[in-house]
Amino acid sequence: DTGVSQNPRHKITKRGQNVTFRCDPISEHNRLYWYRQTLGQGPEFLTYFQNEAQLEKSRLLSDRFSAERPKGSFSTLEIQRTEQGDSAMYLCASSRDRGLSQPQHFGDGTRLSIL
Amino acid sequence: AQSVTQLDSHVSVSEGTPVLLRCNYSSSYSPSLFWYVQHPNKGLQLLLKYTSAATLVKGINGFEAEFKKSETSFHLTKPSAHMSDAAEYFCVVSDNAGNMLTFGGGTRLMVKP
Repeated sequence: DTGVSQNPRHKITKRGQNVTFRCDPISEHNRLYWYRQTLGQGPEFLTYFQNEAQLEKSRLLSDRFSAERPKGSFSTLEIQRTEQGDSAMYLCASSRDRGLSQPQHFGDGTRLSIL
Repeated sequence: AQSVTQLDSHVSVSEGTPVLLRCNYSSSYSPSLFWYVQHPNKGLQLLLKYTSAATLVKGINGFEAEFKKSETSFHLTKPSAHMSDAAEYFCVVSDNAGNMLTFGGGTRLMVKP
């Protein structure tokens, strides 16, 4: 496994700007997940994809957030009109097909700081 | 719905002494449980998982955890702490379909020389 890759590692932007993060999952994994982790807290589920289909979205995912996974490979998470409260680590994970024995493998995350 | 409570936000041990990180869970079905470790500015690494097989689960780096249904607990232990074990540890429960993970608040393990 080459591991889950996330880019960029760090993003600093001004309030109100749009930002986009990318996640490249482990190549044979068809499930992809996004989580958000604020300082001192555990990660919180945002959304997940089975191939290119977005199957579940958390209520944390406001209408300013959009995630895509074209062609079922890499995924992007876009935040429009960023707010101070969006400052967090955004983590991506991937796994093989459904099954409780298939653990999620995490990337190193993208840390977003809103000025 | 499921939830996880990690009973200690910080645990400090001396190198070479045992480690105990406590976790209680709540789930309306037979849960799948995990422990992940996170080093500073890094992603999460899976330590071990329980998926209704043996109740004593062995993981990487000498860690193990015991699933106790009667106590709804899944505590993480290691016989002898190493300096490299210093990190944040998360107890995690999976939803019934294995999709959404619910994390505990984390326990920061500090290891003194």
